[in-house]
Amino acid sequence: ETGVTQTPRHLVMGMTNKKSLKCEQHLGHNAMYWYKQSAKKPLELMFVYNFKEQTENNSVPSRFSPECPNSSHLFLHLHTLQPEDSALYLCASSQDGSGSSYEQYFGPGTRLTVT
Amino acid sequence: QQQVKQSPQSLIVQKGGISIINCAYENTAFDYFPWYQQFPGKGPALLIAIRPDVSEKKEGRFTISFNKSAKQFSLHIMDSQPGDSATYFCAASKGPAGGTSYGKLTFGQGTILTVHP
Repeated sequence: ETGVTQTPRHLVMGMTNKKSLKCEQHLGHNAMYWYKQSAKKPLELMFVYNFKEQTENNSVPSRFSPECPNSSHLFLHLHTLQPEDSALYLCASSQDGSGSSYEQYFGPGTRLTVT
Repeated sequence: QQQVKQSPQSLIVQKGGISIINCAYENTAFDYFPWYQQFPGKGPALLIAIRPDVSEKKEGRFTISFNKSAKQFSLHIMDSQPGDSATYFCAASKGPAGGTSYGKLTFGQGTILTVHP
């Protein structure tokens, strides 16, 4: 595997379900990001982890819970979601989160549908 | 608050034509301006980027023009090809003076480009 991978690629879940999204980067980066991409809206930054420490929570509802066990893996735990949470969830990584390398590399995303 | 405004929302160009997408920003602390290309079913991929110390950057058929005084930058795709059909996003990031926002990208709304053969 190369670059940034995400699983699953598609997920359908009910509002009472609990599920997790997984992201793995194979680039040796130290910063990882979660973005939400909704139709006709800009990409919204959700969370930033830099060297496994969360450095940004962009006012995301608590039904989204991130976890970063190491610099290569990032999870997004989902519970009691709402239909408006349906979107493409993108993971990205960069050399580090301090900005010394601005280039972010994105995974293919998980298409989430909440029913 | 929308800090990066992108236009047009959609663009149709004939093969061989020039595609032009524009972005405007408000925050003068931004000092890195990338463009991303996204194909259906894929994540965004970095296409080309510019810093405000230059007014133009060219990579192959892709050129960024940057106007610091107007706080605008644009992507030009020369000799557009059907394979260029994708969604394009501009973005901006703050430099060291941006505090905790250092390095974090703010995206425009995206432009769906269709190149007809």
